[in-house]
Amino acid sequence: DSGVTQTPKHLITATGQRVTLRCSPRSGDLSVYWYQQSLDQGLQFLIQYYNGEERAKGNILERFSAQQFPDLHSELNLSSLELGDSALYFCASSVAGQGGVETQYFGPGTRLLVL
Amino acid sequence: GNSVTQMEGPVTLSEEAFLTINCTYTATGYPSLFWYVQYPGEGLQLLLKATKADDKGSNKGFEATYRKETTSFHLEKGSVQVSDSAVYFCALSDRSDYKLSFGAGTTVTVRA
Repeated sequence: DSGVTQTPKHLITATGQRVTLRCSPRSGDLSVYWYQQSLDQGLQFLIQYYNGEERAKGNILERFSAQQFPDLHSELNLSSLELGDSALYFCASSVAGQGGVETQYFGPGTRLLVL
Repeated sequence: GNSVTQMEGPVTLSEEAFLTINCTYTATGYPSLFWYVQYPGEGLQLLLKATKADDKGSNKGFEATYRKETTSFHLEKGSVQVSDSAVYFCALSDRSDYKLSFGAGTTVTVRA
C-alpha cells in the first residue's frame, strides 16, 4: 500500500459526459501528479500540482482540468468524454515535487470506460 | 527531450530462470532512473531506483545498475518465481523536469 488513495476504482460513463476523479496523496506529500495509461499511448504525464498551484503540464487535453485543494487532495475533471478517453488514470504523490531524486508513489488508479 | 526505450516483450520464462529486461534512456540532464512494477489488476509500485552513475538499485531479488556510459539501466533477477509475473516499466526523472518519463512496459509471465 503506497498511501495514495484514488476514488472511484471503476467508472463507466457515456460519450459527452463529465466525470471527476479524486486523489488523496500520502501524508506529508505536497505534490500530486496525474498520469494516463492507455493501450496505444502507454503511460503519459498529464499535470502536476504542488501545494495548491499548478507546476507542470504534459499532454493534457483542453477538455481535462485539475486542481489541488487546501487539504492537498486533488481532482481531475474530464469533460465532453470521447471513446478514446477510456484509460487507467493514475495519481502519484511526492514530498516536494522536485524532479530528479524524488520518488513518486502511485495510487491504485481509476479505470474509466467511456461507452 | 527525455525518453526511455525498453524491451517490449512479452517475455515468458520458467520458474527459477534468469530474467533480464533491457532499458536505455535519452536525457538532456542528469536523470534518476526507476523500475516500477504493475501486477495484474493493480497500480504501479516502485521496485527500485538509482540516482547517480554506477549506483545499483536492488529489491526483492531484482537489481539494476545505472550505467552512464551506455545510458542503460537493465533489470535483472537471478531466479524468477510465478509471483514475479507482471508488467515492468523503466522510467526516468530529470532534475530539470518534474514528470516521470516511462518506457512502453515489458510483460513478463513466469510459468511453474
